[in-house]
Amino acid sequence: GAVVSQHPSWVICKSGTSVKIECRSLDFQATTMFWYRQFPKQSLMLMATSNEGSKATYEQGVEKDKFLINHASLTLSTLTVTSAHPEDSSFYICSARGQGRDNEQFFGPGTRLTVL
Amino acid sequence: AQSVTQLGSHVSVSEGALVLLRCNYSSSVPPYLFWYVQYPNQGLQLLLKYTTGATLVKGINGFEAEFKKSETSFHLTKPSAHMSDAAEYFCAIPWGAQKLVFGQGTRLTINP
Repeated sequence: GAVVSQHPSWVICKSGTSVKIECRSLDFQATTMFWYRQFPKQSLMLMATSNEGSKATYEQGVEKDKFLINHASLTLSTLTVTSAHPEDSSFYICSARGQGRDNEQFFGPGTRLTVL
Repeated sequence: AQSVTQLGSHVSVSEGALVLLRCNYSSSVPPYLFWYVQYPNQGLQLLLKYTTGATLVKGINGFEAEFKKSETSFHLTKPSAHMSDAAEYFCAIPWGAQKLVFGQGTRLTINP
C-alpha cells in the first residue's frame, strides 16, 4: 500500500514552454502533498506544501507564479513549471501524506526535467 | 528550528563489511525519526522509522537504527553490506505538523 506515482518520469522541453507534472496517490487519500526539487548529489529541497482544496504554501525563495501547484482532489496534485528555462532543469519529486500516518511521507519516483 | 546532520557525505565499505551511517539531530527531541533510501533516478523509499517504544528499530533490507536521546543520534547500521545497498541515504525528522527536514544525504558505495 501507500503507492505514489508521478508522470512523466522524464521530460525534455524547449526554453519558454510550460511543463506539467502529475503526482497521484494510487491506494490512499492524500490530504497533503509535497513538491521537492533535488539537484545532483544534493538533498531534497522542499518547494511547497499543498493541501487538498486549498492554495499551496510555498517555501521562502520559491516563485509561486513560476511553479504552479494544484491539488484538486485527494489523489492528484500537479506542478506546472511555467516559461521554463535551463536553470529549471532538475529532478522533481512529489510525496504524499495521509491522515494518521504521523509525518511519514510516501514518495513518487521523481520526474527528470531538462530544459533546452 | 530543527536540523539534521549526516556526518560523511560519502561512505565506502567492502561487501560483507559493517555499514554505519551517522545522523544527529538538533537538541529538541523529535517525536519521530526516519531513514529513507534513494536509488539512482528514483524517489525515496522508507527504510525505517522510530516513533515510540523500543529505541532499536529494525527496517527493511537488514538495516536497523538506534535512537539515543543522550547523544541526539539515530545512526543507521547493517551488519553485512551487499552490493545492492549502494544508494543515497537520508535521515529525516518532523518539521512542524506536516513537513520533514532532511539531512544532506550520505552516498554509500560498496566495494566488491
